[in-house]
Amino acid sequence: QQQVKQSPQSLIVQKGGISIINCAYENTAFDYFPWYQQFPGKGPALLIAIRPDVSEKKEGRFTISFNKSAKQFSLHIMDSQPGDSATYFCAARASGTYKYIFGTGTRLKVLA
Amino acid sequence: NAGVTQTPKFQVLKTGQSMTLQCAQDMNHNSMYWYRQDPGMGLRLIYYSASEGTTDKGEVPNGYNVSRLNKREFSLRLESAAPSQTSVYFCASSGQGPAGSQYFGPGTRLTVL
Repeated sequence: QQQVKQSPQSLIVQKGGISIINCAYENTAFDYFPWYQQFPGKGPALLIAIRPDVSEKKEGRFTISFNKSAKQFSLHIMDSQPGDSATYFCAARASGTYKYIFGTGTRLKVLA
Repeated sequence: NAGVTQTPKFQVLKTGQSMTLQCAQDMNHNSMYWYRQDPGMGLRLIYYSASEGTTDKGEVPNGYNVSRLNKREFSLRLESAAPSQTSVYFCASSGQGPAGSQYFGPGTRLTVL
């Protein structure tokens, strides 16, 4: 079964620090890699996304790094703020389909 | 522009009861999805509909049925609810093309006793 492995499961960062969340996928062609942010009691919201022909994408304080050969991609949150405290999910879309596989999530807490 | 809406927000069922979760989107998206979210397991795809008139199974379809009523609406039915179906259910939709990111509804929290 297709899998996307996400780590760490939880993360505590000081305000102003860098939060890093990693995802890896296995042996399957994917063509789109979004990251979602979810606050308690809410649905996931798209944060940033990347295609495999790009190695890095930055939007404000959020950056995705993509390593196609290693089948890994990561989310970096610069200057982390308490308002960034949420659960983050990586996902991958199987090529030629509309099916997304999600990681198991990372619960981020940013201390004030 | 409401995006993706889901009803109900909360539901408690007894084992064996049936119910239908409703989802509607107003973004003119072709594709719609149903996921369940359980602690430590992320989001798992139950069913999806790539376009109006088509539906396909996802990772965990057993015990569920879906109907793509029209382009806007996609419903999920539990015919005989089981405690293992206690979960938070999310509907999502996405547009066409390589950047067809998904937009999620607020979720339905279902408890089966």
